[in-house]
Parts: sequence; structure tokens; C-alpha cells
Amino acid sequence: AQTVTQSQPEMSVQEAETVTLSCTYDTSENNYYLFWYKQPPSRQMILVIRQEAYKQQNATENRFSVNFQKAAKSFSLKISDSQLGDTAMYFCAFMKPPILNQGGKLIFGQGTELSVKP
Amino acid sequence: GAGVSQSPRYKVAKRGQDVALRCDPISGHVSLFWYQQALGQGPEFLTYFQNEAQLDKSGLPSDRFFAERPEGSVSTLKIQRTQQEDSAVYLCASSLSGGMQGPYNEQFFGPGTRLTVL
Repeated sequence: AQTVTQSQPEMSVQEAETVTLSCTYDTSENNYYLFWYKQPPSRQMILVIRQEAYKQQNATENRFSVNFQKAAKSFSLKISDSQLGDTAMYFCAFMKPPILNQGGKLIFGQGTELSVKP
Repeated sequence: GAGVSQSPRYKVAKRGQDVALRCDPISGHVSLFWYQQALGQGPEFLTYFQNEAQLDKSGLPSDRFFAERPEGSVSTLKIQRTQQEDSAVYLCASSLSGGMQGPYNEQFFGPGTRLTVL
């Protein structure tokens, strides 16, 4: 079975600085997807960034980038130029590729609560 | 609609009562997922629908939990004889894909229903 571990329950960063959130996972699969989701206090989960395991290049979305280390099963999120609006719970998630009638359930970590301070 | 909607947003039930939680997915989305998020935890998968077919219910914690999606759009999660341990936020997510690999397996989440069992 797949597991996802986020070892940092809480983190804080000053506005405009850079912060890195850690995530490790365990799987015997070779092909899979990894995600970072953001859940602001309003609780609507929003996709931040996604990585396909077969792609060696790290995904980047504006101020958000990942460091994907497949051999180490590590998937960290770097937020550059942190903004007050980045304050939220961040979840790392794993998905096996959807095949046939299996739609691809997400397996989430415990979350990291990020506070961006002015 | 523009996004996934869920109702009610908040539900308080006395132990032993039955509850029904509704999810309206994004129009045209084939896949629908239910997750349970206990306080301070990451969401955990409950069940998955592809159109009206419930293809995976491996995450349902007991036979008191029942989900349906009779016409392949709106889904209802029913919990019978609620217990205090059922208190959680119940998240619904939908995605365009129907078991196919590709760029459309992003899951879009609703705001959740917070269930409190007294």
C-alpha cells in the first residue's frame, strides 16, 4: 500500500522569503502522479502543482516549484517570494495512474500548516 | 455550475441519527470521489464513482456508510446511525476523466460538509 508522510506539522515564513515543505512517500509502483494541494481556511482544496513520475524535469508553476527525487521517494514544494495569501494547509498527495475502471484515488499526507507573516 | 458544490455546509446530528450529504459535481465530469477529513488530518478516500457505477468503495469505514449517484451526476453520501467518530469534514471531488490516463485527471474539490455528531 502507498503511504505519504509530511514530517512538518507547522511552518512559518516571512513575507517575500522562500520556504520549502517536505514530503516523502512509499510505493512499489514505477509510474504515478504526485500533487501538492493547498487548503485555505475556507477549506476548498486547490491544486498547486503536479508531477508525473516518468518526467525527470521538476514541475514549476509561477512561484511554486518542486524537487522530485524519485529514487529517494521525496517530493518537496518550494514557495518563492511568499505572500500572505499563501497561508494555508498544504497537502502532499499520491495517485496511481487511472486505469480501466479505477479512477485514481488520492492518498494524502497529514498536511503542513504554513503561516506567512508580514 | 462553475465548481463542485456540496450541501449542507454544516450538519449537526445527534448520535444515532441518519444524515445525507449531497455533492453536485462539475457538469460533464465522469468521475466522482468522496473523502473523509478528520480534524487536523489529511483527507482519506471513501468511495469512487464512474458515471453512475460505484467502482470502488474500499474506503467506506463501515456498512453504515452508503453512497449513490443514480443518474451519473449528483451524488449522496448517507450515514446511518451516526456515531461520534463520524464527526469530520466530508469532501467531494470530481474529475473529467473516466479511467483514462491523460492530462484530465485533476480532481476539483468542493467546500466540504462539516459533520458534527453530538
